[in-house]
Amino acid sequence: ILNVEQSPQSLHVQEGDSTNFTCSFPSSNFYALHWYRWETAKSPEALFVMTLNGDEKKKGRISATLNTKEGYSYLYIKGSQPEDSATYLCAYTPGGGGSYIPTFGRGTSLIVHP
Amino acid sequence: ETGVTQSPTHLIKTRGQQVTLRCSSQSGHNTVSWYQQALGQGPQFIFQYYREEENGRGNFPPRFSGLQFPNYSSELNVNALELDDSALYLCASSSGLAGGTDTQYFGPGTRLTVL
Repeated sequence: ILNVEQSPQSLHVQEGDSTNFTCSFPSSNFYALHWYRWETAKSPEALFVMTLNGDEKKKGRISATLNTKEGYSYLYIKGSQPEDSATYLCAYTPGGGGSYIPTFGRGTSLIVHP
Repeated sequence: ETGVTQSPTHLIKTRGQQVTLRCSSQSGHNTVSWYQQALGQGPQFIFQYYREEENGRGNFPPRFSGLQFPNYSSELNVNALELDDSALYLCASSSGLAGGTDTQYFGPGTRLTVL
């Protein structure tokens, strides 16, 4: 069983604050890491697919970095807005085997207060 | 592009019964994956289908089975339901394998309650 940990489990911030959270995964045999945003009563929405050590991806106020050697990825939100309130999930895929089966973390629940 | 749809939205069954959940993939996608999300957990990979063949299975017993049809829609069948099968079931479609480098598009899920 692969260990994919996300921290913190939940986070409350004020509108305008910048925030970040972590996804930790095994540092050996990396293939890909996916980030998703999941708003209540909606479908999970893909944010980023990250594949290379040192990758940095950005989408509006949200960005992510990847360190495969030490086994972590950070997700940053700059100037949080109430509409950023959601659960943020990461999913790690190891290499080899050919089926590329992802393992999800439990997510970080972000609540942005106006 | 049409999105990923799932039916039904909610379902209540009793122990020992069988259930079929359905998923319509996004247009142009040849891979569909199924996940189980129990309360307080992240989604757990059940299996994926690529061009109508199962391609990868997670740690789920054989009573979880699936099908993918020529139009790439899919079914998840669960036999001999147990209380622990109560969960949200998500499907996702993509152009490539689930954990690969392609984006997955998720449906809204089916909430299954087993009494």
